[in-house]
Amino acid sequence: EPEVTQTPSHQVTQMGQEVILRCVPISNHLYFYWYRQILGQKVEFLVSFYNNEISEKSEIFDDQFSVERPDGSNFTLKIRSTKLEDSAMYFCASSGRTGDTDTQYFGPGTRLTVL
Amino acid sequence: GESVGLHLPTLSVQEGDNSIINCAYSNSASDYFIWYKQESGKGPQFIIDIRSNMDKRQGQRVTVLLNKTVKHLSLQIAATQPGDSAVYFCAETYQAGTALIFGKGTTLSVSS
Repeated sequence: EPEVTQTPSHQVTQMGQEVILRCVPISNHLYFYWYRQILGQKVEFLVSFYNNEISEKSEIFDDQFSVERPDGSNFTLKIRSTKLEDSAMYFCASSGRTGDTDTQYFGPGTRLTVL
Repeated sequence: GESVGLHLPTLSVQEGDNSIINCAYSNSASDYFIWYKQESGKGPQFIIDIRSNMDKRQGQRVTVLLNKTVKHLSLQIAATQPGDSAVYFCAETYQAGTALIFGKGTTLSVSS
């Protein structure tokens, strides 16, 4: 069964530093997403990406955030200057396989800790 | 079994009981609904989905019910097992490729 993978599993950084979270979506999926989950809270949408551009983003996804699909397999989330409140689990998801366009499959997440 | 009329953050059941987890969704235009299971330290895992043109869908040991009149979604788990212990989230979206809006989770604890 194909899976979404994410690296690293845990990232610790100093406030103000840049971080890049990496994801490998399920191959032949067309839509890619980033979500975050602050400890003990519900999962929140950040951004969706389709056809090499952002298709939708939330209020959380401000100018400090960016996404990129640098090659045919990776999908990255960059936080330019991290803040304490960026500490959360970040989940990548993908969807859009032929015949199953809606179901979003999630990766295991990256735990980001900003000190 | 145990039934939850309103959303509760926790639900404790005995092994073998039937569990019902409820969720109220927000957008009457939502077309697609999903239940996810999240175990500690892991990402949301797809359980079952339903479209707005249906009111019931069954999977293996799980059933999802959709009541569009009151914007209510429920997940029924038959013969609950200890391995079912997790946080369960409902999610909604109005179109493929768009944001999933997650509801508040319910922590299911199954004791043997």
